[in-house]
Amino acid sequence: GAGVSQSPSNKVTEKGKDVELRCDPISGHTALYWYRQSLGQGLEFLIYFQGNSAPDKSGLPSDRFSAERTGGSVSTLTIQRTQQEDSAVYLCASSQGDFQETQYFGPGTRLLVL
Amino acid sequence: SQKIEQNSEALNIQEGKTATLTCNYTNYSPAYLQWYRQDPGRGPVFLLLIRENEKEKRKERLKVTFDTTLKQSLFHITASQPADSATYLCALYNQGGKLIFGQGTELSVKP
Repeated sequence: GAGVSQSPSNKVTEKGKDVELRCDPISGHTALYWYRQSLGQGLEFLIYFQGNSAPDKSGLPSDRFSAERTGGSVSTLTIQRTQQEDSAVYLCASSQGDFQETQYFGPGTRLLVL
Repeated sequence: SQKIEQNSEALNIQEGKTATLTCNYTNYSPAYLQWYRQDPGRGPVFLLLIRENEKEKRKERLKVTFDTTLKQSLFHITASQPADSATYLCALYNQGGKLIFGQGTELSVKP
């Protein structure tokens, strides 16, 4: 595709439910990143996938958060037992190389936990 | 502690003027800085990258400076237009680290 796509664009869920957010990176990009952006805040790094290497999970805020990347392409971010403080915009980005390369962002998934 | 800070207050300027946005950082030694533009409801879009050994970088009406002594980057938009209204994010790449983003500064250009 022409750019990074994410789905759903909006998600409303009840506290305690699990949610899955999907990211389709730009074809051929080896690196994929997940960020969280809360209202008025900067982008908070969550997790980074690079090729077949083990992902860098150092930004995940708790063990309720997990992500996987299948076949080096599509990625899914899962939040278990959602809490109200998980409400934010979740952004996915991809790049041709590592963090030193330009990142291309998707439109984000707006998550609201009631 | 490590911090990257941008003006939290929105910047309001008149069309045709030069907009200047500031990005300050502490306790980082970035190899480079990037500037992104973010429109409401959209993901950030890359604008410019400046490396630690570069003082200034230009692209059309955009100019970025990088002062590693002051630990500051300035982002200028000359001959600003209402279409330039957006939030501008700076991000620094720390050696061996990740891309760290500031919280962004909202720019509003009035006709």
